[in-house]
Amino acid sequence: SAVISQKPSRDICQRGTSLTIQCQVDSQVTMMFWYRQQPGQSLTLIATANQGSEATYESGFVIDKFPISRPNLTFSTLTVSNMSPEDSSIYLCSVESGPGETQYFGPGTRLLVL
Amino acid sequence: KQEVTQIPAALSVPEGENLVLNCSFTDSAIYNLQWFRQDPGKGLTSLLLIQSSQREQTSGRLNASLDKSSGRSTLYIAASQPGDSATYLCAPYNAGNMLTFGGGTRLMVKP
Repeated sequence: SAVISQKPSRDICQRGTSLTIQCQVDSQVTMMFWYRQQPGQSLTLIATANQGSEATYESGFVIDKFPISRPNLTFSTLTVSNMSPEDSSIYLCSVESGPGETQYFGPGTRLLVL
Repeated sequence: KQEVTQIPAALSVPEGENLVLNCSFTDSAIYNLQWFRQDPGKGLTSLLLIQSSQREQTSGRLNASLDKSSGRSTLYIAASQPGDSATYLCAPYNAGNMLTFGGGTRLMVKP
């Protein structure tokens, strides 16, 4: 299994500002994933982050709004840029133990944009 | 595009009942399917993973079945307990390393 931590656990931000969320894994993993869970909704994949290459974004998500870094095999960041109240969500990172194997999730970052 | 539906959306039962949570998906070309549990305001905990070649997986009081050809999976919870109260999410895994989540079943088990 993998143990994943996220920082911050929660934040309240003003519209127009940006927030960077950190995700740390206790083991080296090839792929890391970033999800968004809007209030009362299920999870939606934002992007897949591989070390050493550009992140792959899902339909409806763009790099300018959600830039991602993946500097090594245990760490990734997601930035939520130029925030609006619609960005208020829980943001979760996850990793998989191997291709097509169990995915493990971090505890999430609860973001409220005023 | 994979679409996942979970029924019921919410369920409230007395302690001790055996439960059935249903999940259906539109694209049967999956590699596996995972069931997760999410407690309020928390991340996800993986409960069971069924490979596409398997019919079922069991862990304690949980049993998950998979009928890939018909696009269905079922999570059985035996002898439910108040500690089982949470939202249960199913997520099939398709090509492109992608999990698609259903809307979840919010379960409340009353003492």
